[in-house]
Amino acid sequence: AQSVTQLDSQVPVFEEAPVELRCNYSSSVSVYLFWYVQYPNQGLQLLLKYLSGSTLVKGINGFEAEFNKSQTSFHLRKPSVHISDTAEYFCAVRAPYSSASKIIFGSGTRLSIRP
Amino acid sequence: GAVVSQHPSWVICKSGTSVKIECRSLDFQATTMFWYRQFPKQSLMLMATSNEGSKATYEQGVEKDKFLINHASLTLSTLTVTSAHPEDSSFYICSATKTGDSNQPQHFGDGTRLSIL
Repeated sequence: AQSVTQLDSQVPVFEEAPVELRCNYSSSVSVYLFWYVQYPNQGLQLLLKYLSGSTLVKGINGFEAEFNKSQTSFHLRKPSVHISDTAEYFCAVRAPYSSASKIIFGSGTRLSIRP
Repeated sequence: GAVVSQHPSWVICKSGTSVKIECRSLDFQATTMFWYRQFPKQSLMLMATSNEGSKATYEQGVEKDKFLINHASLTLSTLTVTSAHPEDSSFYICSATKTGDSNQPQHFGDGTRLSIL
């Protein structure tokens, strides 16, 4: 079984400052890792994914994440945030065996950008 | 890119009525679709896995007679909330993955906000 922990429920950041949203996972098998963003009253949009290979993954909107197997982490980072990045961010894991495998979501981190 | 369409986006209805929500994969086939429920300021809770041509697999604690799922084609799954009551008010989101490609992420619909009066 897999689980995901997002350590911060809310992260306030000033505009143009860097940000890191933390995610740790637990699994007895290898996993695929994802970060999704949710804007108010909308579904989820994929930011980036880690399947295998390079541990540094670049996504959309200037976000990137680094897979660290020894620390079982997959933290999301952006060097300079904008007001438009205000949203809820979800880290998720899935077993790699099948597209029918369930996704397990973290509890989410609300990123609020201050001008 | 892969697009999942969910309809309606917002529905308000009286207590006791049944509400059907549609989830369509517009440009790909999806043998499997997923239905989630999200309470305000909380994460997504998986309700059930919808399998084309067979019965859905429900998560523990989800009433299958309350939340009827039908996946009659490779591009359409429906969730029917039967005899809805105010406690069923929530944000419902579906997702789908392309058939046969285990490397594909799930693609999400824009959600349906259900309000029961």
